[in-house]
Amino acid sequence: EAEVAQSPRYKITEKSQAVAFWCDPISGHATLYWYRQILGQGPELLVQFQDESVVDDSQLPKDRFSAERLKGVDSTLKIQPAELGDSAMYLCASSLMVNTEAFFGQGTRLTVV
Amino acid sequence: GQSLEQPSEVTAVEGAIVQINCTYQTSGFYGLSWYQQHDGGAPTFLSYNALDGLEETGRFSSFLSRSDSYGYLLLQELQMKDSASYFCASSGTASKLTFGTGTRLQVTL
Repeated sequence: EAEVAQSPRYKITEKSQAVAFWCDPISGHATLYWYRQILGQGPELLVQFQDESVVDDSQLPKDRFSAERLKGVDSTLKIQPAELGDSAMYLCASSLMVNTEAFFGQGTRLTVV
Repeated sequence: GQSLEQPSEVTAVEGAIVQINCTYQTSGFYGLSWYQQHDGGAPTFLSYNALDGLEETGRFSSFLSRSDSYGYLLLQELQMKDSASYFCASSGTASKLTFGTGTRLQVTL
């Protein structure tokens, strides 16, 4: 069964260091989402891609976060420098097209120390 | 902007019926989805409503009223495995998918 792949599953980093997360969506899915989820809260949309174009990044802290999906397939989310408050689960999801079911990866749990 | 409000917690007994409400404010609203998330797991899709009315999928049903900016998820014949967090999510302007605050459901014996 096709699934969204994310790596790493867990990441511990020191504050002020750079960290990167990778996501490979389900083949053929044009829409890709990156969410941040703090324990006990709902997923917060950071950035949404349609193919290689950014559809929405209004909640992305652009001074430290960046995201790319160069060939419209896999995607990378980067944080530089990491801050203590960035500790959270980072979830990637994809959907065949907009307004259809989103499939989530298992996420990357980031701990900033 | 977009915001979705849900009750934070609901408790129900095994075999019962429970309703989880969601009110939304979404620019360019297109539809309302529901997702389930077990502790430590990823959200998984349950249902989607683009039109007013009730959608039924097995033990789960979802309802939407666009005029009231309101929807709910109905879970019937509750089982222990239904204990999880449930999120409504709206599709709005530019098809942005925004999640609600989440409802933690605890099913008891």
